[in-house]
Amino acid sequence: DAGVIQSPRHEVTEMGQEVTLRCKPISGHNSLFWYRQTMMRGLELLIYFNNNVPIDDSGMPEDRFSAKMPNASFSTLKIQPSEPRDSAVYFCASSFAGTENIQYFGAGTRLSVL
Amino acid sequence: DAKTTQPPSMDCAEGRAANLPCNHSTISGNEYVYWYRQIHSQGPQYIIHGLKNNETNEMASLIITEDRKSSTLILPHATLRDTAVYYCIVRDSGGSNYKLTFGKGTLLTVNP
Repeated sequence: DAGVIQSPRHEVTEMGQEVTLRCKPISGHNSLFWYRQTMMRGLELLIYFNNNVPIDDSGMPEDRFSAKMPNASFSTLKIQPSEPRDSAVYFCASSFAGTENIQYFGAGTRLSVL
Repeated sequence: DAKTTQPPSMDCAEGRAANLPCNHSTISGNEYVYWYRQIHSQGPQYIIHGLKNNETNEMASLIITEDRKSSTLILPHATLRDTAVYYCIVRDSGGSNYKLTFGKGTLLTVNP
């Protein structure tokens, strides 16, 4: 299995631009998570999907952030408009339902907003 | 969730066993101990978990004290590639308890 696949690995953009991060979970996993990691705040859960349905989006910072999961094999995290404080590493993780505490993480997308 | 306490950093010689401690004195009866690690510039990686019995897999061993107030992750023969931040997390298993709280962890440095 290729594991959780995220793209792009690195993204550099200017303030105000739209950013879309992509994630392909492990086949057969039905839970998907988006996290953000910064030096100041550590690793934070942004949103959790189960069977493609958003269950908990309480960690999404504000309306500029949105996430979708149109099918079991694809999810996006969008930031519009982006701001410099959004600069961070964004991780996607997936797991089997019922074992959500055993999560498999992708390599992350390092986002820099100038 | 029970709070965990880990030393901020540890060193280990390559080829030797690395023993990483974690205190979780307020753990409740239905909470498991999970260990993850994060190698630099990579995503966190699940290592092992346990409830009260000692556990072993291809990556590590987990020793949980009888009173369950502390545990130790053992990497039997540490290699340079084991240099990482190791996180000890206490959670109910599965279901709606999906939020993993990654604290500051222990930075393990394996030296040649």
